[in-house]
Amino acid sequence: GAGVSQSPRYKVAKRGQDVALRCDPISGHVSLFWYQQALGQGPEFLTYFQNEAQLDKSGLPSDRFFAERPEGSVSTLKIQRTQQEDSAVYLCASSRDRAYEQYFGPGTRLTVT
Amino acid sequence: GQQLNQSPQSMFIQEGEDVSMNCTSSSIFNTWLWYKQDPGEGPVLLIALYKAGELTSNGRLTAQFGITRKDSFLNISASIPSDVGIYFCAGQLPNTNAGKSTFGDGTTLTVKP
Repeated sequence: GAGVSQSPRYKVAKRGQDVALRCDPISGHVSLFWYQQALGQGPEFLTYFQNEAQLDKSGLPSDRFFAERPEGSVSTLKIQRTQQEDSAVYLCASSRDRAYEQYFGPGTRLTVT
Repeated sequence: GQQLNQSPQSMFIQEGEDVSMNCTSSSIFNTWLWYKQDPGEGPVLLIALYKAGELTSNGRLTAQFGITRKDSFLNISASIPSDVGIYFCAGQLPNTNAGKSTFGDGTTLTVKP
């Protein structure tokens, strides 16, 4: 079956532009997570959904970051007025329930120039 | 935020050698997870540990959940070239939503044929 997919795989944005990153989780997976991974570091938690409910957004670095999952399936991470420090790989992961076995997508590499 | 100290930062070994890496924290974790990440891909879960003292194997990989709940190690026996990649430990704190993981900064493994 299909794994977690993310699009676009690469995104270059000029500083100040808005971007939208998409995540298609594994079908039927209830939980969805977004992580940010800076170069040479481990992923850092951004936000968590259970179905359409955003249960934890404590990791979002600023109010320029917004995530949604309106129908409990596809999720979008939006970054407004991008800054250079937003450059990173954004990873999405899904799991069947509140389970620990998370399946990660390949990530979207965002470069802000 | 919480920090996991992962060591060594990098390893260069000969094919066939055994490898050991570890992860420590000043905080107690309920769960320890080990992932492998290949270039351009998301992390893949290798082993999950749920109880202090637990020792779990997955093929040539063995991981242990430290008795103090503040550390974990991963061993790889008889390394092969496809073991090359970045290995991350991740932990889940008590009283956190299931799945919200704190990651170390990774151990980069290079295997020379």
